[in-house]
Amino acid sequence: GENVEQHPSTLSVQEGDSAVIKCTYSDSASNYFPWYKQELGKRPQLIIDIRSNVGEKKDQRIAVTLNKTAKHFSLHITETQPEDSAVYFCAATRSGGGADGLTFGKGTHLIIQP
Amino acid sequence: NAGVTQTPKFRILKIGQSMTLQCTQDMNHNYMYWYRQDPGMGLKLIYYSVGAGITDKGEVPNGYNVSRSTTEDFPLRLELAAPSQTSVYFCAHSNRGTEAFFGQGTRLTVV
Repeated sequence: GENVEQHPSTLSVQEGDSAVIKCTYSDSASNYFPWYKQELGKRPQLIIDIRSNVGEKKDQRIAVTLNKTAKHFSLHITETQPEDSAVYFCAATRSGGGADGLTFGKGTHLIIQP
Repeated sequence: NAGVTQTPKFRILKIGQSMTLQCTQDMNHNYMYWYRQDPGMGLKLIYYSVGAGITDKGEVPNGYNVSRSTTEDFPLRLELAAPSQTSVYFCAHSNRGTEAFFGQGTRLTVV
């Protein structure tokens, strides 16, 4: 089955700086890669996703890049703000829309220092 | 509420007891899932369903059972609770090719 590795486990950045979180996946057939943000005690919520036919996607301060050859994808957050502090999870699936569920990384605790 | 209601929010079980976690979605989505999240870990798939009457095992199905008699409901049954089942459980749903919407979670402690 799919295996998703996520790094780093903790990331501390100064407010206003950029943050980058990286994930690698094992199944070359995976074709959908979402990123979820989870605040303490809350449910995971989708912040951005990318499909295998696209190399990069942006949504305001958030971007995701995908390298299918290397089987890795990354989340980029620019101009970080205190409300960006949370745990971020990457995930992967081969079923396009996730019919058979998502395989998650272990998460990155992003800390924004004032 | 992301179109999904999960109950209960919290529960303490004794070893060997059984319980059912309820999950109901009102967005008429075909796909539904149960995940568990252990401290400091990502979510692991327990069971999933692609439609009423169809269920399949995920990565960590042992000790759990599910049913899907309607599109809306996807209950998760724990039989003979064990300390290893202490976790936060999330129900989720999605439509083909779209994001998964998660419930608020059930924090379960087995003592």
